[in-house]
Amino acid sequence: EDQVTQSPEALRLQEGESSSLNCSYTVSGLRGLFWYRQDPGKGPEFLFTLYSAGEEKEKERLKATLTKKESFLHITAPKPEDSATYLCAVQGSGGYNKLIFGAGTRLAVHP
Amino acid sequence: NAGVTQTPKFQVLKTGQSMTLQCAQDMNHNSMYWYRQDPGMGLRLIYYSASEGTTDKGEVPNGYNVSRLNKREFSLRLESAAPSQTSVYFCASSDTGGRYGNSGANVLTFGAGSRLTVL
Repeated sequence: EDQVTQSPEALRLQEGESSSLNCSYTVSGLRGLFWYRQDPGKGPEFLFTLYSAGEEKEKERLKATLTKKESFLHITAPKPEDSATYLCAVQGSGGYNKLIFGAGTRLAVHP
Repeated sequence: NAGVTQTPKFQVLKTGQSMTLQCAQDMNHNSMYWYRQDPGMGLRLIYYSASEGTTDKGEVPNGYNVSRLNKREFSLRLESAAPSQTSVYFCASSDTGGRYGNSGANVLTFGAGSRLTVL
């Protein structure tokens, strides 16, 4: 059964304090691993798609990496506006367009 | 460009009442989805429509029905609401063509959500 586990559940950082969020996954035939950002009261917003182990993608202070078992979202020198819940999802080959989401990591960045 | 629009944003129902959540997208996407989000749990797929004229069950379809009215619109109906259906509901859409990678992965665009409380 496809499964996604994110850790930690919540993370508090000081502005400028770099850290990483973890997404561990089990999936049959990975088609893609997705990172989304969700602000309170809003829908998830797409950040990255990673397709194969070893792939990396960057956007501003965020960098996503992928291995065969997990993905990391590295946040370098975060700012308060990076505060949000970050969701990880995987799409396997078993079901058409079916994404399995993790519960998310709530990130709070304080000045 | 509105993207994915959901209505209503908030709704309170009594147990046994029925209601329909509406969703429309203006991106000419083929596929549309309904998810629910509960505290401490990931987004869970209720139903999806791979293309106009087709619908399929997701992980948690019990107690719900859907209608793909046309390419733009995908509605979710609760026939007899139960307290267990208290949740935040998200509609999403995706393009099954141009945004595929080599592995066929799809990017979803989400609406802002509809918060439903069943008393």
